[in-house]
Amino acid sequence: DAGVIQSPRHEVTEMGQEVTLRCKPISGHDYLFWYRQTMMRGLELLIYFNNNVPIDDSGMPEDRFSAKMPNASFSTLKIQPSEPRDSAVYFCASRSRLGTGGYEQYFGPGTRLTVT
Amino acid sequence: SQKIEQNSEALNIQEGKTATLTCNYTNYSPAYLQWYRQDPGRGPVFLLLIRENEKEKRKERLKVTFDTTLKQSLFHITASQPADSATYLCALVISTDKLIFGTGTRLQVFP
Repeated sequence: DAGVIQSPRHEVTEMGQEVTLRCKPISGHDYLFWYRQTMMRGLELLIYFNNNVPIDDSGMPEDRFSAKMPNASFSTLKIQPSEPRDSAVYFCASRSRLGTGGYEQYFGPGTRLTVT
Repeated sequence: SQKIEQNSEALNIQEGKTATLTCNYTNYSPAYLQWYRQDPGRGPVFLLLIRENEKEKRKERLKVTFDTTLKQSLFHITASQPADSATYLCALVISTDKLIFGTGTRLQVFP
């Protein structure tokens, strides 16, 4: 398996523009998580899905952020309009409810977003 | 407030020594605690999990302890190597679905 795939790896955009980040989870995993990582705040959970259904979006900072999971193999995180304070590395992670029961998550390589 | 604290300062040790990293938390009662490794430019990678009823867990050169009374986990790397240099994150499993991560400790192992 290729692991969790994220695109793009880097995104530079101007304030006010719409940004869409993409994620393909590991095949067979039924949980998908979106995180944001900054030096100041560390790794923060934004939203997670189970079987394509959003379960908890309490970490989404503002209405400017939205996430969708139209099917089991694809999810998007959209920021509209983007602001400089959204600059961060955004990670997608997936997990299976089966296995050891240890709830370990598998992370993608991240998307480094810079908003100027 | 709810907090997970890890050494904010980088930990620098000599090759061959044991590295000990600390994770302290308040106002949580996790059933599990996990440790992840993160290299620059990459996502975190799962290393170990320890359950609340386990005092200690080992995997090769790694050892994790979990003291629910002190609300603390210690992560040890014995016979450390330069390849162990990375940032190490602890994560509390606060429900069957959610992880809360600490801010991480950067470990640098010098030859």
